[in-house]
Amino acid sequence: DGGITQSPKYLFRKEGQNVTLSCEQNLNHDAMYWYRQDPGQGLRLIYYSQIVNDFQKGDIAEGYSVSREKKESFPLTVTSAQKNPTAFYLCASSFQEVYGYTFGSGTRLTVV
Amino acid sequence: AQSVTQLGSHVSVSEGALVLLRCNYSSSVPPYLFWYVQYPNQGLQLLLKYTTGATLVKGINGFEAEFKKSETSFHLTKPSAHMSDAAEYFCAVSHTGGGNKLTFGTGTQLKVEL
Repeated sequence: DGGITQSPKYLFRKEGQNVTLSCEQNLNHDAMYWYRQDPGQGLRLIYYSQIVNDFQKGDIAEGYSVSREKKESFPLTVTSAQKNPTAFYLCASSFQEVYGYTFGSGTRLTVV
Repeated sequence: AQSVTQLGSHVSVSEGALVLLRCNYSSSVPPYLFWYVQYPNQGLQLLLKYTTGATLVKGINGFEAEFKKSETSFHLTKPSAHMSDAAEYFCAVSHTGGGNKLTFGTGTQLKVEL
């Protein structure tokens, strides 16, 4: 079945460490997105990519980095520069505006 | 620019009662409108969408929404709430030529009480 896979489901890291969240899709979608979700704050866009080897900053890109070397993959690195990294992270992909997004099941990152 | 306003961050209904979640949008061009549902610790799942044509759209789990251009609204309804409907609901808008980007509302947490 086609879909988006985020791994791992839960991730624990020590403060000061970089951590990479995986997002893989087999939907043949060109566009991919990373969102951060905190209680009561809705979805905030971190980075998005409309095509391979190209990506743009979203509203809260500071302290994060991404790469898009393959159409299927859009990993997100949470760096030590991100002041409050503990959150729920969602990856999504899209074919065209009219179809909306398909979301992964999320990764809950806890930094201690 | 486009935007979405969801009135009421928390809505509580009794089991069996009508569910009404409000969404108003702003868009300078014909919009595409979406409702998503999110259960705890899960991703968002598409409930229904309006693109063109019939303004009353039906989705999964008995939900429906009506696109009202004159009111710039896309409210989500369900005639009879079930305990399993307790979740967070997000309204979103996009449009052709919008760079394939959805603009989300801030979400409405639905609580269903016995």
